Amino acid sequence: EVQLVESGGGLVQPGGSLRLSCAASGFTFSSYAMHWVRQAPGKALEYVSAISSNGGYTYYSNSVNGRFTISRDNSKNTLYLQMGSLRGDDMAVYYCARGSSSWARNNWFDPWGQGTLVTVSS
Amino acid sequence: QSVLTQPPSVSGAPGQRVTISCTGSSSNIGARYDVHWYHQLPGRAPKLLIYGNNNRPSGVPDRFSGSKSGTSASLAITGLQPEDEADYYCQSYDDSLSGWVFGEGTKLTVL
Repeated sequence: EVQLVESGGGLVQPGGSLRLSCAASGFTFSSYAMHWVRQAPGKALEYVSAISSNGGYTYYSNSVNGRFTISRDNSKNTLYLQMGSLRGDDMAVYYCARGSSSWARNNWFDPWGQGTLVTVSS
Repeated sequence: QSVLTQPPSVSGAPGQRVTISCTGSSSNIGARYDVHWYHQLPGRAPKLLIYGNNNRPSGVPDRFSGSKSGTSASLAITGLQPEDEADYYCQSYDDSLSGWVFGEGTKLTVL
């Protein structure tokens, strides 16, 4: 069974840092681009970041560029999102999702993990 | 404000047909990028519903269909059922942002 399990969410103070992880199983992790998508409470899905299958390409939305870093360890089948300079508007459930190919603009996302909640508050 | 515009809400009675629009521009849907659709039940993760404009993953009933024309796309749901009540999102790629984008989401209510 293809499965993605996020972890690492929690309470962090404004300006703080947090690293999210996404453990993949049931498929050849190194063959697929991976993505992070977030959803603030009661709000719509917001695209965050992407990384190609071999880690050679990355993308960040304008809202997180310069503060977040996406990475992956294909030997551990794990995706990461290092988040820094966290702000109140970063508070959300963060989902990891598998892309439909190694890296393509027409990627769709399937499956998704269950999400991990990041709370930014003092 | 997303570059893909969806109606905030739609509704229909059981058995009826509803459509959800996703309006973009020449930098995304009109640039011939595919549109994909997801649905999200309350408190759950999103799930892929339609990919590549009009393709259903295995397990998705044929009551769900997608279409695309010009700078817009639509999701149609026929034979509406109570369990279809969820949030629906379109997704594509945008050249201006050089990245992937989601629509604003549409809440479907089954009356």
